[in-house]
Amino acid sequence: AQKVTQAQTEISVVEKEDVTLDCVYETRDTTYYLFWYKQPPSGELVFLIRRNSFDEQNEISGRYSWNFQKSTSSFNFTITASQVVDSAVYFCALRNTGFQKLVFGTGTRLLVSP
Amino acid sequence: DTGVSQNPRHKITKRGQNVTFRCDPISEHNRLYWYRQTLGQGPEFLTYFQNEAQLEKSRLLSDRFSAERPKGSFSTLEIQRTEQGDSAMYLCASSPPGGIDTQYFGPGTRLTVL
Repeated sequence: AQKVTQAQTEISVVEKEDVTLDCVYETRDTTYYLFWYKQPPSGELVFLIRRNSFDEQNEISGRYSWNFQKSTSSFNFTITASQVVDSAVYFCALRNTGFQKLVFGTGTRLLVSP
Repeated sequence: DTGVSQNPRHKITKRGQNVTFRCDPISEHNRLYWYRQTLGQGPEFLTYFQNEAQLEKSRLLSDRFSAERPKGSFSTLEIQRTEQGDSAMYLCASSPPGGIDTQYFGPGTRLTVL
């Protein structure tokens, strides 16, 4: 069975604060892929990152960073020095090898106020 | 680079009517996906095409739902005898051939069934 849990329903921060969005996944497969997508108020899902299960290196892209830990089945996302434009719903997703479907979590709504 | 496009963006219909949505994938993407997203939830997988072949279908895709991709380019999703529970955002995504299979999403079609 595949499952993605995003326990934080909504997070509110003030601009320039750092914020971490949690993602915990369940899968029986040893090979899988993890993703983060951003859904701004306009509604279109925007791809942020793709990570395969063999690569546990953390990744940094500008103000965004991702921490993948297989031991805890977590793939957390940190935004440093948040900005108002970061306000959106963020989804974590899982895809097992051999299947094409993405299994999404329920999302975390991030509100960044000025 | 043109992204995934979906038409119409909004559709309001009465219960019992049939509706059809169209998705045009990114040029040269041979894989196409349909998802459904209800309020406050993550997208749920409906079906997947590789070229014109429908290779995966979710149990969510009841007999009233049918998807086609006749020439391996655009796709249509038809819902017959709509029910109020069909009200949702219908998202289309595409991904390129080969190993890099990140799914890129369109803006969605919001369906409201009265």
